[in-house]
Amino acid sequence: DAEITQSPRHKITETGRQVTLACHQTWNHNNMFWYRQDLGHGLRLIHYSYGVHDTNKGEVSDGYSVSRSNTEDLPLTLESAASSQTSVYFCASSESGQRIPFFGPGTRLTVL
Amino acid sequence: EDQVTQSPEALRLQEGESSSLNCSYTVSGLRGLFWYRQDPGKGPEFLFTLYSAGEEKEKERLKATLTKKESFLHITAPKPEDSATYLCAVQPMYSGGGADGLTFGKGTHLIIQP
Repeated sequence: DAEITQSPRHKITETGRQVTLACHQTWNHNNMFWYRQDLGHGLRLIHYSYGVHDTNKGEVSDGYSVSRSNTEDLPLTLESAASSQTSVYFCASSESGQRIPFFGPGTRLTVL
Repeated sequence: EDQVTQSPEALRLQEGESSSLNCSYTVSGLRGLFWYRQDPGKGPEFLFTLYSAGEEKEKERLKATLTKKESFLHITAPKPEDSATYLCAVQPMYSGGGADGLTFGKGTHLIIQP
C-alpha cells in the first residue's frame, strides 16, 4: 500500500548540531509539506514543495531548509539546532488535483 | 491573514451524549475546509473536506457542516473510540504563499467516557 513515512520517529540532539529529518512518500504526490506542532500553537507550516527542485518558505521557516531532488522525498534540515526547535514534526503530501494533504506519523525532536 | 479558531478547547462527554465542535475561520478566499482526527502520538488522519457553504458530509457518527464563517463537526451517540483531538484547517483559494498548505486551529480535545 502507498504510504508516507518519517524517520527517525524520535531524536535527541544538542544545541548547534545539524539535524536532518527524513520524509518519504510512495503515492507519487507532487506536493509535499513540513509542519511543526507545539502545545498552544497547533500545526504550523515550515516549508513546502510543489515538485522536484521546487521549494518554498512557510510561516515558520527560519532555521530550517529543505531540498527536493526526487518526487518521493523531502528532507528537512535544521542547520544549527536550537532549543526553540524542540517540537513534533509532521510531513504531509497531496496530489495536485485533489489537494488533500495526508500526514505521516511524525518525528519528535528534542534539542538539549 | 488566515485564522482558524476552534471551540471548545476540550470537551468531555458521556457515551451516547451527542454534541458539536465549532470551527470559526477567516480567509481571503476559501478553497476548502478540512477536518482531521489526531490520536496521541500519531499524525492527523483525514476525515472530511468541505468546499462551499451549505455542504454537509457524514462518516459513521460524524457529520461536518459549513457556513461562510464557520464549520461544525457534529458527533452523534459517540463511543469511547471517538476520543481524540479534532483539528480544523482552511486552505485558501488563491495561489502563492503556500496556497496548498493548510492553516490549522489548535484543536478540540474530545474525551468520551463509558
